[in-house]
Amino acid sequence: EDQVTQSPEALRLQEGESSSLNCSYTVSGLRGLFWYRQDPGKGPEFLFTLYSAGEEKEKERLKATLTKKESFLHITAPKPEDSATYLCAVQARGTTDSWGKLQFGAGTQVVVTP
Amino acid sequence: NAGVTQTPKFQVLKTGQSMTLQCAQDMNHEYMSWYRQDPGMGLRLIHYSVGAGITDQGEVPNGYNVSRSTTEDFPLRLLSAAPSQTSVYFCASSYSGVKSPLHFGNGTRLTVT
Repeated sequence: EDQVTQSPEALRLQEGESSSLNCSYTVSGLRGLFWYRQDPGKGPEFLFTLYSAGEEKEKERLKATLTKKESFLHITAPKPEDSATYLCAVQARGTTDSWGKLQFGAGTQVVVTP
Repeated sequence: NAGVTQTPKFQVLKTGQSMTLQCAQDMNHEYMSWYRQDPGMGLRLIHYSVGAGITDQGEVPNGYNVSRSTTEDFPLRLLSAAPSQTSVYFCASSYSGVKSPLHFGNGTRLTVT
């Protein structure tokens, strides 16, 4: 069974204090790993897709990396506006039955204080 | 461009009542899905559709029905609401399920008393 585990559950950072979020996954063949950002009262907002081990994607202060067992979301010099819950999700390779299905982790809640 | 629109934003039901959560997208996406989000748990897939006239069950389908008569709309029906269905419901769509990111609506917060 596909599983996604995110750690830590919550993270409190000072503005400018860089850190990393972890997403560990077990899946029967990875088609893609997705990172989303979710603000309170809103739907998840797409950040990145990673397809193969060694791949990296960057957007502003965020950088996502992927290995065969986990993904990291690095937040460099965060600002208060980076406060959000960050969700990781995997899509398994396989039959068309898995088309579009995502297995989500529970998320990491990040709070950045000035 | 509105994206994915969900209505209502909030709803309170009594046990046994039925209701329909509406979802519409204006991006001509083939794939649409419904997730529920509960504290401490990841988003869980309820039902999904790969095109008009085609629907299938996700991880937690019991107590919910869906239909897809048009590309744009994908309503979720609660047949007889139960307290266990108290949750935040998200509708999502993508151009193609394979390797395409999901675009989410802003959710419907449902409370069943």
